[in-house]
Amino acid sequence: GDSVTQMEGPVTLSEEAFLTINCTYTATGYPSLFWYVQYPGEGLQLLLKATKADDKGSNKGFEATYRKETTSFHLEKGSVQVSDSAVYFCALSHTGANSKLTFGKGITLSVRP
Amino acid sequence: DTEVTQTPKHLVMGMTNKKSLKCEQHMGHRAMYWYKQKAKKPPELMFVYSYEKLSINESVPSRFSPECPNSSLLNLHLHALQPEDSALYLCASSRRGVSPLHFGNGTRLTVT
Repeated sequence: GDSVTQMEGPVTLSEEAFLTINCTYTATGYPSLFWYVQYPGEGLQLLLKATKADDKGSNKGFEATYRKETTSFHLEKGSVQVSDSAVYFCALSHTGANSKLTFGKGITLSVRP
Repeated sequence: DTEVTQTPKHLVMGMTNKKSLKCEQHMGHRAMYWYKQKAKKPPELMFVYSYEKLSINESVPSRFSPECPNSSLLNLHLHALQPEDSALYLCASSRRGVSPLHFGNGTRLTVT
């Protein structure tokens, strides 16, 4: 079955530091890949997505590239802010009627001033 | 602001109570979902409705009963819950096919 593996957390960074959060996946075929973010007390928000190999998703300074050869979708940001403190989930889904998501375990990011 | 609205935001209920969670979206999405999220864990899929018909039930206990009265509304009826059912319940919607899910902010449920 499908699975998503995220690096262990939590991660604590100083403001303006470079961020990388690793995500690898196991799936048949060609899934779509997503990063969702969950701020304290809120639901999940789509941060970015990529639907085919070599696609780069980007939003709010975050980027991730769909790497078929390494089955990875690592999240990066050049300069984090305190407001980026949240839980980040990597996820995948296949084409189909119900867009069923397979999530990674999530990682908590804390950014200190 | 989220485009998926969930009410109530918080709910405390006893094990003998009956309550309902409500979810509403006006994006024209025809797939709607219920997820359960425990602290520090990813969301777990409970139910999927597609065109107002139940298409996926992830072996959820019958004390959780979903209902989709129309394409904009999704309810989750709760009865005889257990303390371990305490969690954040998230509603989501999407267009059919591969598309991102839009989540509400959830209902924080505590069962006493």
